[in-house]
Amino acid sequence: NAGVTQTPKFRVLKTGQSMTLLCAQDMNHEYMYWYRQDPGMGLRLIHYSVGEGTTAKGEVPDGYNVSRLKKQNFLLGLESAAPSQTSVYFCASSYLRLAGGPVEQFFGPGTRLTVL
Amino acid sequence: AQSVTQLDSQVPVFEEAPVELRCNYSSSVSVYLFWYVQYPNQGLQLLLKYLSGSTLVKGINGFEAEFNKSQTSFHLRKPSVHISDTAEYFCAVRILSGGSNYKLTFGKGTLLTVNP
Repeated sequence: NAGVTQTPKFRVLKTGQSMTLLCAQDMNHEYMYWYRQDPGMGLRLIHYSVGEGTTAKGEVPDGYNVSRLKKQNFLLGLESAAPSQTSVYFCASSYLRLAGGPVEQFFGPGTRLTVL
Repeated sequence: AQSVTQLDSQVPVFEEAPVELRCNYSSSVSVYLFWYVQYPNQGLQLLLKYLSGSTLVKGINGFEAEFNKSQTSFHLRKPSVHISDTAEYFCAVRILSGGSNYKLTFGKGTLLTVNP
C-alpha cells in the first residue's frame, strides 16, 4: 500500500495564479483532511471531509476550496494565490473506530508551496 | 474549545541522555491522545496513542508516554536518546463528544535536538 500520497511535492506560483493539490489514499479511509504547517504555528486545519461528496471548513479555510468526488481523493484548490499562502501543505486520512469515531490520522509527505 | 500546550519549543540533549517532552491539554471530557514525530522534510508519523486502558503507553523507537487525567497531561519519555531521534514532536488531542470530535488539535511542536 502506498498510504497517503500528495502531488506535487514542490510548486512555485506567482501571486494571483491558481493551482490544485491532489491527495490520494489507498486505505479506504472515510475521513480526509488538509492542513498547513507554518514555523512556530504547528498544524492548522484548512478543510476536511467525512466521506465522499462531503466537505467542511476547518480553522483557516479562507482562500481555499476543496472537493471530494471520489472516496480516495481529496483536492485542495487555491483560486488566486497570495504570498500568505506560502506554506507546507499536508493531507491526512483517518479510519473510523466502531465506537468513538475517527482515530489516528495518517499523513502524506507534504507539498511545499511558495507564492511570489 | 480544547487546546494543547507543548511546554517547550526546543529541547537540546546529549546522546544517551533521558528526555521528557511535555504536553498538557484542556478538556473536561474524555479524549484520545497522540504523539507524532516529524523528521526533516517529511510528513508526520504516529509514535504512540492513548485510547483507553493502561495509562502507560509504549510506542515505536523506544518512546513511551503516560496519560495523567488529573493533571491533563500526556508527557513523552525516552530513557536514552540517539542522534537519529532528532526531529520535531507533536502532541495531539481528540475529544470524544460534541461537534468537534472529527478532528485532532495539535500542539505547536517541540524540536528535539540530540547532540553527540
